[in-house]
Amino acid sequence: NAGVTQTPKFRILKIGQSMTLQCAQDMNHNYMYWYRQDPGMGLKLIYYSVGAGITDKGEVPNGYNVSRSTTEDFPLRLELAAPSQTSVYFCASSYEETGELFFGEGSRLTVL
Amino acid sequence: EDKVVQSPLSLVVHEGDTVTLNCSYEVTNFRSLLWYKQEKKAPTFLFMLTSSGIEKKSGRLSSILDKKELFSILNITATQTGDSAVYLCAVQGAQKLVFGQGTRLTINP
Repeated sequence: NAGVTQTPKFRILKIGQSMTLQCAQDMNHNYMYWYRQDPGMGLKLIYYSVGAGITDKGEVPNGYNVSRSTTEDFPLRLELAAPSQTSVYFCASSYEETGELFFGEGSRLTVL
Repeated sequence: EDKVVQSPLSLVVHEGDTVTLNCSYEVTNFRSLLWYKQEKKAPTFLFMLTSSGIEKKSGRLSSILDKKELFSILNITATQTGDSAVYLCAVQGAQKLVFGQGTRLTINP
């Protein structure tokens, strides 16, 4: 089992560029999440999904978009990248709403 | 707004010491509290607590929840250098999982 797979692991963007962080899980989990982690801080929820076709905003959704066309995939799109979006992004999934989260390895994004 | 506060933010001890990490929370419709260990990459799951007063234990690590006083502690006994990490507390409430800022634990040999 691969678990939760994120790509790319590292990326440098220029201000105003756009990109998509990919996330895929092979555990047939309904719940998927995107978090960002700034240096020395905990994780902040960007968007989450409770199943294919259903997404909702978390604490810090501005500047991001998501889609969930399949159970397996939950891509995060950054439109018009800004330096404030420099962070490490984690995708996670869970079987139950209140259960353990399984995390991907993270994607380190720098916006210059 | 749901809030999770961890203390201390940073702790440096010697190998063999016992440490206690704290997590307090204010969450609407509490459902569970989780502890994670984060080394260089993704957080890894340690414990999930849902009931007050019941200790969860795994080797040298243990944790307990007090739903009346709204806090949890994570104990690590006989610490080893491999315990050096950031320990994250997260609480599931009406919103999705809300994380604290973490405690950075450093174990010196």
